Amino acid sequence: GENVEQHPSTLSVQEGDSAVIKCTYSDSASNYFPWYKQELGKGPQLIIDIRSNVGEKKDQRIAVTLNKTAKHFSLHITETQPEDSAVYFCAAKDYNNNDMRFGAGTRLTVKP
Amino acid sequence: EPEVTQTPSHQVTQMGQEVILRCVPISNHLYFYWYRQILGQKVEFLVSFYNNEISEKSEIFDDQFSVERPDGSNFTLKIRSTKLEDSAMYFCASSILGGGTEAFFGQGTRLTVV
Repeated sequence: GENVEQHPSTLSVQEGDSAVIKCTYSDSASNYFPWYKQELGKGPQLIIDIRSNVGEKKDQRIAVTLNKTAKHFSLHITETQPEDSAVYFCAAKDYNNNDMRFGAGTRLTVKP
Repeated sequence: EPEVTQTPSHQVTQMGQEVILRCVPISNHLYFYWYRQILGQKVEFLVSFYNNEISEKSEIFDDQFSVERPDGSNFTLKIRSTKLEDSAMYFCASSILGGGTEAFFGQGTRLTVV
């Protein structure tokens, strides 16, 4: 089955700096890659996703890149703000099934 | 904004007891899911449910677990004969379609087995 690895486990940046979180996946059949933000006491919330027919997607300060050949995808947050502090999870799945596999999470801390 | 709601937010149960975790998915969604997150670990898929039947389940979802949609709005996860290692945060999620569509998560139920 699919195995998703996520790095780093913790990341601390200064407000205004960029943050990059990287994930790799093992199953070449995976074609949907969402990123979730989880704040304390809340469920994961989708912030951006990318499908395998796209190499890059951007939404304001958030961007995701996908390299299908290398089987890795990354989340980029620019101009970080203290409210970006949370745990971020990457995930991967195949359209043809509903078993979504998550990475272990990255705890991002943005220091004011 | 429509959201997935879960009750209770925290459940404490004795080892060996049965628990039922409840979820109200977003009303026009057709696919429903349960995930769990053991403290400090990754979110793990348990089961997906569509058209009143399980569409997929993980190796975690054994005979101890069952899901049900008892009426048009609720989606439940039953855990029989709970074990200490069942202690985790359980998340319900729903999506309009399966495949590559966005899944919306509830806020979770923290299950503590003592």
